[in-house]
Amino acid sequence: KAGVTQTPRYLIKTRGQQVTLSCSPISGHRSVSWYQQTPGQGLQFLFEYFSETQRNKGNFPGRFSGRQFSNSRSEMNVSTLELGDSALYLCASSPGTAGLMGSPLHFGNGTRLTVT
Amino acid sequence: GDSVTQMEGPVTLSEEAFLTINCTYTATGYPSLFWYVQYPGEGLQLLLKATKADDKGSNKGFEATYRKETTSFHLEKGSVQVSDSAVYFCALKWDDMRFGAGTRLTVKP
Repeated sequence: KAGVTQTPRYLIKTRGQQVTLSCSPISGHRSVSWYQQTPGQGLQFLFEYFSETQRNKGNFPGRFSGRQFSNSRSEMNVSTLELGDSALYLCASSPGTAGLMGSPLHFGNGTRLTVT
Repeated sequence: GDSVTQMEGPVTLSEEAFLTINCTYTATGYPSLFWYVQYPGEGLQLLLKATKADDKGSNKGFEATYRKETTSFHLEKGSVQVSDSAVYFCALKWDDMRFGAGTRLTVKP
């Protein structure tokens, strides 16, 4: 079974630009979560989608948005990029919602975004 | 809100040494607890999990026991190898998944 696939692996953007990151979950998984990982802040939860609906959202500004398609693939968009948005963005999928007890997250290898 | 606190690293050990990485949590409900491991250039991989009090998760020689009375989920391994060098994350899951700050482990031959 293929794992979680994130594209692209690396991205370099300029301040003020926008970026879209893509995530394909494990086949059959309906929940996709996004995390931002930085050396200073660690892993921070961005949002979770389940069956095309945003179930949960972390404490990030409105410049960060996402969506999920009917095939469970998800995209994350960041508009008006700032230097502080430089990070590893991780996508994770699971069979059920985040509230499904004991259901672990399966992570992709991430997209490394550098904002200059 | 729910949170996880794990011991700060980095931790440096010699091969075959005993490993403990402390993890405590704060939660209003009855979360599931997890340990994840991240190798360089990769995402997080599930190492082990426990879903209720007194459960013991184990995998690849690593163990952790869900202790409700001390709200802890400490990771242990009896004899570490160089290949165990990685960053380890403790996490809890109730409404969403919350991670600790991560502990970098380096094992020297």
